[in-house]
Parts: sequence; C-alpha cells; structure tokens
Amino acid sequence: DAKTTQPPSMDCAEGRAANLPCNHSTISGNEYVYWYRQIHSQGPQYIIHGLKNNETNEMASLIITEDRKSSTLILPHATLRDTAVYYCIVRVESWDTGRRALTFGSGTRLQVQP
Amino acid sequence: DSGVTQTPKHLITATGQRVTLRCSPRSGDLSVYWYQQSLDQGLQFLIHYYNGEERAKGNILERFSAQQFPDLHSELNLSSLELGDSALYFCASSVDFGTESPLHFGNGTRLTVT
Repeated sequence: DAKTTQPPSMDCAEGRAANLPCNHSTISGNEYVYWYRQIHSQGPQYIIHGLKNNETNEMASLIITEDRKSSTLILPHATLRDTAVYYCIVRVESWDTGRRALTFGSGTRLQVQP
Repeated sequence: DSGVTQTPKHLITATGQRVTLRCSPRSGDLSVYWYQQSLDQGLQFLIHYYNGEERAKGNILERFSAQQFPDLHSELNLSSLELGDSALYFCASSVDFGTESPLHFGNGTRLTVT
C-alpha cells in the first residue's frame, strides 16, 4: 500500500473549517484513500473514503487532487469535540480478503481552539 | 457507537498470566481485525479473520493467538504476559463484501500487566 505523509500537528479555531492535508504521491490506480480519527484512546472512528472523486458525508468532505497524489479532509465547522488524531490511510482494493487490513501511520494531531 | 463490542474494557493482570479478550462484530460483518496500540508503537495490526478463517497476520507474537467462532465473535488470547504487553487492544469489523468496505472499531480493552 502507498505510504502517506501528514503534518504531525495542526490547530484550528472553533467554528472554522479544518483542512487536513495528506500526501500520497506513490498511490496507484486501485488504491482508495481512507480517513479515520481517534479521540483520546477511544477506538479509531471511520470518517470517509474515496477513490478519485470528491466525497462528502455528514461528518466531512474529502477532496482528492486530479493526479490523486494528495488529498484534503475538510471538517466544515470544527468543534472542540473534533480535537483528535486524524489518520490518512491508503489501501489497495482487492477481492482478496487477506489484503484488507489498514496500516496506520502517526497521523495529524488536530487541536481545536475555543 | 460503531456497533463493535469489546469486553472487558479494562484488565489488570500479572506477568506470566494468560488473558482472553473478546470481540463481537457489527451485525452482518464477516471480518474481525485485531490491533494493538501501545504508547511508543502506534496502532499495529495483529491478525485478521474472515468468516472463521485466518486471512492475514501482522506483527502478532507467537504468545498471542486468536480465533473466530461460528457466530462470528472473536477472541484474542495473550499468554505468558510481559510488562511490554500492556497496551490498548482494539477489534474492528468489516462486512468485506466487495472491495472497499471500511473497518469499524470498538472502543478497546486496556490491558495492564504488573
């Protein structure tokens, strides 16, 4: 699976949009981008995933560049409860169920400031 | 609430002992994944079961073993425990039908070995 690079930490003001970048310059055509977050030792929480089109759900938006070498997770109106470590993960999509485990890096620690 | 249930939430035991961690996946999910998170290692994939069969192994020690039962719940057995095994142990489940199903994590079991 392609390696990802994320900034170790970011700050965001409460109520503003939080834009978390992720670089995955070696991504290949059959690899999806997944975003998870972990709030203070709770289990990682699935946020969103995408292949090449932009995606939006009730939690966030995922913007993937046209060349797919980077992406941005957008939390439109950050709250204090969004303070967490955010992980960007690339996973090859395969019918082989033995290749489904996610590999977590060190993520970005987002601190939402009041 | 992810729908993945892990028990117990906390476990304190002594070195050399053996413990069993239990995971109930979300209804309909066929896959169970186990992860370990210690302070200095981040989230490490241990093992993956799909519909009762082992499908992939990560950094799982020989002292650790797992199984998935016909009702799809899973148990992770840790034996000859050492101080370094103190960690959060997470279970995740996934429907794994198709190629892009995300993993959904439980809130973990915190193991303390004294």
